Amino acid sequence: GENVEQHPSTLSVQEGDSAVIKCTYSDSASNYFPWYKQELGKRPQLIIDIRSNVGEKKDQRIAVTLNKTAKHFSLHITETQPEDSAVYFCAASMDSNYQLIWGAGTKLIIKP
Amino acid sequence: DGGITQSPKYLFRKEGQNVTLSCEQNLNHDAMYWYRQDPGQGLRLIYYSQIVNDFQKGDIAEGYSVSREKKESFPLTVTSAQKNPTAFYLCASSATGGAGGAFFGQGTRLTVV
Repeated sequence: GENVEQHPSTLSVQEGDSAVIKCTYSDSASNYFPWYKQELGKRPQLIIDIRSNVGEKKDQRIAVTLNKTAKHFSLHITETQPEDSAVYFCAASMDSNYQLIWGAGTKLIIKP
Repeated sequence: DGGITQSPKYLFRKEGQNVTLSCEQNLNHDAMYWYRQDPGQGLRLIYYSQIVNDFQKGDIAEGYSVSREKKESFPLTVTSAQKNPTAFYLCASSATGGAGGAFFGQGTRLTVV
């Protein structure tokens, strides 16, 4: 079955710098890749997603890139702000299967 | 808020007691899920349902049971067979094929006393 690996487990960056979180997946049939942000004690919330027919997607300060050949996708956050501090999860799924397979999460710390 | 509601927000369970967590959605989503999250950890799938009257076990189904009698509702029962139930429980729903991602309820924090 599908397996999703996420790195790093913890990422500390200076406020204003960029942050990059990477995920790899094992099943080439996966075609949907969302990213979630979870603040302490709260529910995960979808922040951006990408489908396999697209290589990159941007939404203001966040972007996701997908390399189907290498089977990895990345979350990029530019001009980081204190409110970006949270745990970020990547996931993968196939259209024919409702189940999302989750990465283990990355704790992002923004240093003032 | 968000179209998917979990209740209660906090729940305390005595040893040997069954408890039921409620999850209701008005998003007209076919699929619903239950996840368990331990402190500082990721999401582990307990059960999921793709259609009414049908559900499948996830990775950690032992000690839990679910039902899906209505499209809008997917309650989770934590039974006395679950030896370490203290955790944060999250319910989610999604449209066909996971498109648009999963939307989460606000979670139920269960503590054994």
